[in-house]
Amino acid sequence: VQLVESGGGVVQPGRSLRLSCAASGFTFSGYAMNWVRQAPGKGLEWVAVIWYDGSNKYYADSVKGRFTISRDNSKNTLDLQMNSLRAEDTAVYYCARERTVGNHDVWGQGTTVTVSS
Amino acid sequence: QSALTQPASVSGSPGQSITISCTGTYSDVGSYNLVSWYQQHPGKAPKLIIYEVTLRPSGISDRFSGSKSGKTASLTISGLQDEDEADYYCCSYAGSSPFPYVLGSGTKVTVL
Repeated sequence: VQLVESGGGVVQPGRSLRLSCAASGFTFSGYAMNWVRQAPGKGLEWVAVIWYDGSNKYYADSVKGRFTISRDNSKNTLDLQMNSLRAEDTAVYYCARERTVGNHDVWGQGTTVTVSS
Repeated sequence: QSALTQPASVSGSPGQSITISCTGTYSDVGSYNLVSWYQQHPGKAPKLIIYEVTLRPSGISDRFSGSKSGKTASLTISGLQDEDEADYYCCSYAGSSPFPYVLGSGTKVTVL
């Protein structure tokens, strides 16, 4: 059972970036998935949640209207499209499997996003 | 949704027991038995150690235990060990709207 994030990097304010999370070792289509981030030296912040079938999506107020979570169950991938990036979006971004409500049992190693001019 | 309140730091000597509190509201912690706890070592991903208030995932030491009373959840670490030094975050389900989860601000555990 594994989650591997990719797509992080350095990007200028106002630009876009797309993160991906590749899942393996489990039936991806059976689980809700989440993105959680952590700014340097700060605590965790829940960013977005998507149901197992993609039918429902939730976003933190801080990213609503700028970020879009999506999934491709045929490819076992979870994405986070990040637009209009701001300096405060600088963070390590983790994807996490939601085994049951409130039970996030598998996490990726994280991918780092730096928003800077 | 406001963050759950945790103490910034807690410390203890090896072998001692410590307790970390996590206070929310009657819209989150007080309404659902869906509080989880995560341990995070520096530079590492968070690790689930307690879910549904009291349950431990497979492989998690029974030195970790959780409880809840009203709108306050607690994590107790018994027989404190050096490897327990880490940051700990609580998380509660808060209903599906506007956002399902609310996180605690995190507690730094120091083993003296």
